[in-house]
Amino acid sequence: DIQMTQSPASLSASLGETVSIECLASEGISNDLAWYQQKSGKSPQLLIYAASRLQDGVPSRFSGSGSGTRYSLKISGMQPEDEADYFCQQSYKYPPTFGAGTKLELK
Amino acid sequence: EIQLQESGPGLVKPSQSLSLTCSVTGYTITSGYDWSWIRKFPGNKMEWMGYISYSGSTNYNPSLKSRISITRDTSKNQFFLQLNSVTTEDTATYYCARAFYVMDAWGQGASVTVSS
Repeated sequence: DIQMTQSPASLSASLGETVSIECLASEGISNDLAWYQQKSGKSPQLLIYAASRLQDGVPSRFSGSGSGTRYSLKISGMQPEDEADYFCQQSYKYPPTFGAGTKLELK
Repeated sequence: EIQLQESGPGLVKPSQSLSLTCSVTGYTITSGYDWSWIRKFPGNKMEWMGYISYSGSTNYNPSLKSRISITRDTSKNQFFLQLNSVTTEDTATYYCARAFYVMDAWGQGASVTVSS
């Protein structure tokens, strides 16, 4: 299985701060990478797919980038509603595998 | 708007079978997509378990292949998870989701504890 190493495990950001979360795949995944947001007590929501494509309805402050084995999610201007867990998922090979998650808190 | 809702027992005894139902509204499960089960363990690790496609074919995580079965009832627009011979390691929140390589709609999740 492809291993997804996500970092950091947790971080704290101030209002308006730009935040980055990274995922490193154990092999190249050809941009087949999605990012999800999960707020406390809620179901996960798809934010980004194909590494950089924004899902409909997701605010434009969220962006994704990367290639090969290294991918990142950026939040340009932390908002209170962005406090959540974030995790990545590769869909390049079965079985799909997930990163361990990043807990983002508002400072 | 599509909605998915998991239902089933919250407590299962070791060695027994775990059975969950995912009820889908707002989209017909035979129209497209793969209808998936994913679980999140205490400590937040997530595992893709498998899916049943819109055509009825199935694909399972090899780590579960001997214990898992995903079926459906198209007349009720539901699909089901059965996981056999459960242990305490199967304690998790179980999600159903609509997927086409990525999961674009998820249920709220069903918490299942395996304990005697």
